[in-house]
Amino acid sequence: SQELEQSPQSLIVQEGKNLTINCTSSKTLYGLYWYKQKYGEGLIFLMMLQKGGEEKSHEKITAKLDEKKQQSSLHITASQPSHAGIYLCGADMRRGNQFYFGTGTSLTVIP
Amino acid sequence: DAMVIQNPRYQVTQFGKPVTLSCSQTLNHNVMYWYQQKSSQAPKLLFHYYDKDFNNEADTPDNFQSRRPNTSFCFLDIRSPGLGDAAMYLCATSRKGYEQYFGPGTRLTVT
Repeated sequence: SQELEQSPQSLIVQEGKNLTINCTSSKTLYGLYWYKQKYGEGLIFLMMLQKGGEEKSHEKITAKLDEKKQQSSLHITASQPSHAGIYLCGADMRRGNQFYFGTGTSLTVIP
Repeated sequence: DAMVIQNPRYQVTQFGKPVTLSCSQTLNHNVMYWYQQKSSQAPKLLFHYYDKDFNNEADTPDNFQSRRPNTSFCFLDIRSPGLGDAAMYLCATSRKGYEQYFGPGTRLTVT
């Protein structure tokens, strides 16, 4: 079974549009991480959320973790072609060093 | 710059011929991870080291082994590669409880 579910699976948006990607778990998350991956490359760390209700922003990307620590959203404002790639949420599902990735969301931004 | 380095970037091996992938880090992180990522899928954790302690995922095939001779280096050994083992192999490092830093990956082809 998949520990972390992401939605949507893929997204195609016009440049300048806002978009949201969701990451949902049936278990409490002890740490939620967002990564971006370009095709054939390694993952780039974007943000980490640990506290319920926490929200972080970097440039045009904002990530939130809900109060129950079971769902996170990643919001991109005024999308650009440089935002294109695969977005992955990852989480500590239990205390320790176990780590799982979500199913991934492929983002295409049309100029 | 401090980083996670993977060699080689591309590896071609024959069916059944043992192959070793290497990962090194200059971050002095105590945790090192190996992931397998197949096309259009999220990375799947194979195993990780917390210092010298080896932690194997329950569904990692016995065909996959790992060695960590010191803090900086970690190796992934595939004893008898099958066609189904063709994938991108990602190495990552972290301090316990913090975000992971990923290498660029090694793309393995099995002929």
